[in-house]
Amino acid sequence: SQQGEEDPQALSIQEGENATMNCSYKTSINNLQWYRQNSGRGLVHLILIRSNEREKHSGRLRVTLDTSKKSSSLLITASRAADTASYFCATVHAYITSGTYKYIFGTGTRLKVLA
Amino acid sequence: EPEVTQTPSHQVTQMGQEVILRCVPISNHLYFYWYRQILGQKVEFLVSFYNNEISEKSEIFDDQFSVERPDGSNFTLKIRSTKLEDSAMYFCASSETKGVRGDGYTFGSGTRLTVV
Repeated sequence: SQQGEEDPQALSIQEGENATMNCSYKTSINNLQWYRQNSGRGLVHLILIRSNEREKHSGRLRVTLDTSKKSSSLLITASRAADTASYFCATVHAYITSGTYKYIFGTGTRLKVLA
Repeated sequence: EPEVTQTPSHQVTQMGQEVILRCVPISNHLYFYWYRQILGQKVEFLVSFYNNEISEKSEIFDDQFSVERPDGSNFTLKIRSTKLEDSAMYFCASSETKGVRGDGYTFGSGTRLTVV
């Protein structure tokens, strides 16, 4: 089963509009993170929301988390052409034996903001 | 802000050749990781490394892959005999702790490996 699936897969909006991306996951989490990736480039950490938080803001970003529905959303307000990128949610999977953990990334939403 | 540094940013190699991808984790971090992203696909976990040994590895991380911390600063991923399907972006990451809270995990900017 997929852990971390974003929708929509692709989103195209005009500059100045708001962009909303959703992420669903299947198992219980301690936190959920959103990352941004410009085409072919590295991962940029945007925001982390813990399981006991419902909403978090960072600049033009607003993230919500609904643990009862196992879903999160990322809202980018007043979008700019420079926001064009892929956006991924990531949840943590802990290995009981070693105590280490890995991130499980979603499939991503490709956002295109038209100037 | 401390960074995880990866070199080179882009590497082209012939099929069948060995390739070593290099990473310099954040200096006080103890846990190291490699992830892979095939073009257009998800970022996938390959391996975690702590105390000079592999902690966990995924099914992708087969005998063709190995990791090493050859000195106090570098963390390397070696692919012994590259295949076309190894072409991907490889991300290194490090963390200070192993806790399940999942924060403090910093990714590098990636090495794009192209196998021709």
